[in-house]
Amino acid sequence: DQQVKQNSPSLSVQEGRISILNCDYTNSMFDYFLWYKKYPAEGPTFLISISSIKDKNEDGRFTVFLNKSAKHLSLHIVPSQPGDSAVYFCAARPARNSGGSNYKLTFGKGTLLTVNP
Amino acid sequence: KAGVTQTPRYLIKTRGQQVTLSCSPISGHRSVSWYQQTPGQGLQFLFEYFSETQRNKGNFPGRFSGRQFSNSRSEMNVSTLELGDSALYLCASSLRGALATEAFFGQGTRLTVV
Repeated sequence: DQQVKQNSPSLSVQEGRISILNCDYTNSMFDYFLWYKKYPAEGPTFLISISSIKDKNEDGRFTVFLNKSAKHLSLHIVPSQPGDSAVYFCAARPARNSGGSNYKLTFGKGTLLTVNP
Repeated sequence: KAGVTQTPRYLIKTRGQQVTLSCSPISGHRSVSWYQQTPGQGLQFLFEYFSETQRNKGNFPGRFSGRQFSNSRSEMNVSTLELGDSALYLCASSLRGALATEAFFGQGTRLTVV
């Protein structure tokens, strides 16, 4: 049961253009969402996050949009740079008052972004 | 401030053996979570330890176990290794576990079972 889905295994964009990575979730208990970036042979590094009370969060070239009704979020990178080439993971966690086995970060399978010079 | 340290970085084992992986979290972090990453499967949650207690567990067989020490360092053990256990094992530390706004990952241990 894939509760966090990244349906595009890969994405290729030109340097300077916009990269849009998408993520869908099914668990309505999720209320906090994160994006991680992972280079080969390294652990994932935190990129940006968004709480369910917001619909947008921006940090420099990175913006995350959340559409709660559609259970969909997206990460926009503008402008894309070759150094952004990595695997991007979407993750979600439940509300703080939930408990039991849902109390963890659930990750999608990742999207490999390639930014071509 | 030192990051999350995982040892060893690489490991080759044969089927049927057992293996122990180690994770030292960021100083002051009390939560350590373990994940298995395989091609096409993303990060699969194994378990989380907080203050020496297992607080949560994923859907992995009992061959996968862990523990956490009083200094928050954690170990993960896999017994009776199978070929399918070949993966990158990642640990992440955070101040409060799932309550944290982010978790910090180590570089991982690449386990190859032959």
